Amino acid sequence: EPEVTQTPSHQVTQMGQEVILRCVPISNHLYFYWYRQILGQKVEFLVSFYNNEISEKSEIFDDQFSVERPDGSNFTLKIRSTKLEDSAMYFCASTTRRGNEQFFGPGTRLTVL
Amino acid sequence: QKEVEQNSGPLSVPEGAIASLNCTYSDRGSQSFFWYRQYSGKSPELIMSIYSNGDKEDGRFTAQLNKASQYVSLLIRDSQPSDSATYLCAVEYNTDKLIFGTGTRLQVFP
Repeated sequence: EPEVTQTPSHQVTQMGQEVILRCVPISNHLYFYWYRQILGQKVEFLVSFYNNEISEKSEIFDDQFSVERPDGSNFTLKIRSTKLEDSAMYFCASTTRRGNEQFFGPGTRLTVL
Repeated sequence: QKEVEQNSGPLSVPEGAIASLNCTYSDRGSQSFFWYRQYSGKSPELIMSIYSNGDKEDGRFTAQLNKASQYVSLLIRDSQPSDSATYLCAVEYNTDKLIFGTGTRLQVFP
């Protein structure tokens, strides 16, 4: 069964460093998302991406964040200068079209020291 | 501010019983409703989707939607210890994002 994959599973970085989180969505899906979940809190939407551009972004997704689909399979989230409060689980999700079921990857645990 | 509300629990039920999980949402314009299961330290796993009023059954799971009351629920029949997890209600507001509730922790004891 096709699934969303994410790498790395765990990323440890120093405050102020850049990180890139990688995702491979399900192959026939067209809409891609990043969510995050701070430990003990709810899953929060960050950004949606369709047709090589951002469809919608949340207040959390400020200028320090960017997304890219560098090729036909990968979807990346970059955080330019990490802060302590960026420590969270980051989930990638994908779906065939808006409003349909979104399938989540296993997540990347980001720890900012 | 669009909100999705869930009782955080824990909801404790004996093995074999029916577990009933509830969710309310604030925006009447909501189009799509989803239940996800999340084990500790893992990602959300889709259980059910429901788009129109009424019941939708899939195996031991039944989702119920009442748009007039802005209420969606999940029933788990014949609950098993392996069903012990946090259940997340998610609502799509005719935009490109899901809004999640805080989740209800379910404990099924033998």
